[in-house]
Amino acid sequence: GQQVQQSPASLVLQEGENAELQCNFSSTATQLQWFYQSPGGSLVSLLSNPSGTKHTGRLTSTTVTKERRSSLHISSSQTTDSGTYLCASGAGGYKVVFGSGTRLLVSP
Amino acid sequence: EAAVTQSPRNKVAVTGGKVTLSCNQTNNHNNMYWYRQDTGHGLRLIHYSYGAGSTEKGDIPDGYKASRPSQENFSLILELATPSQTSVYFCASGLGGQNTLYFGAGTRLSVL
Repeated sequence: GQQVQQSPASLVLQEGENAELQCNFSSTATQLQWFYQSPGGSLVSLLSNPSGTKHTGRLTSTTVTKERRSSLHISSSQTTDSGTYLCASGAGGYKVVFGSGTRLLVSP
Repeated sequence: EAAVTQSPRNKVAVTGGKVTLSCNQTNNHNNMYWYRQDTGHGLRLIHYSYGAGSTEKGDIPDGYKASRPSQENFSLILELATPSQTSVYFCASGLGGQNTLYFGAGTRLSVL
């Protein structure tokens, strides 16, 4: 079945630095989403990007479907960006599988 | 904004007891999901449903049953709870395709 690998497992930045998060998936994805999980545990969708490049605010996601990879770039990081970033992939049908996440800590 | 409500938010159960986790969504989404989250494993899919009356096994269905009696409600049932099922459980709903998933706030379950 579909598998999703994320790297790095954790990342520590100084405020203002950029972050690059990677997601690799095992089958051609028709659905690719990035989520943010707050330190308190709540999960929110950041963006859906099954192919190409998409921007929202300080976030840029690039997905290369044939290479089965997606990246999430966070520019000018802020302390409030700290938390866990999760990649989720679906290869058709209804099943959506998550990676283990990248834990980001942004220090002032 | 899509609303997914889980109950209870916290639950302590005894080994061998029956536990039911409930999820309600008010957005008429076809698809609903149950995940558990453990340190080092991320979110793992237990069961999912693509409409009322349907349930499908996810990646880790053993020890769990699911029920989708209506479009709005999706339950996760632990018939004989074990300590290994201590975890945080998340319910989600979505329209499928490239549409996003909406998550509930999670249920923290401890099985003693």
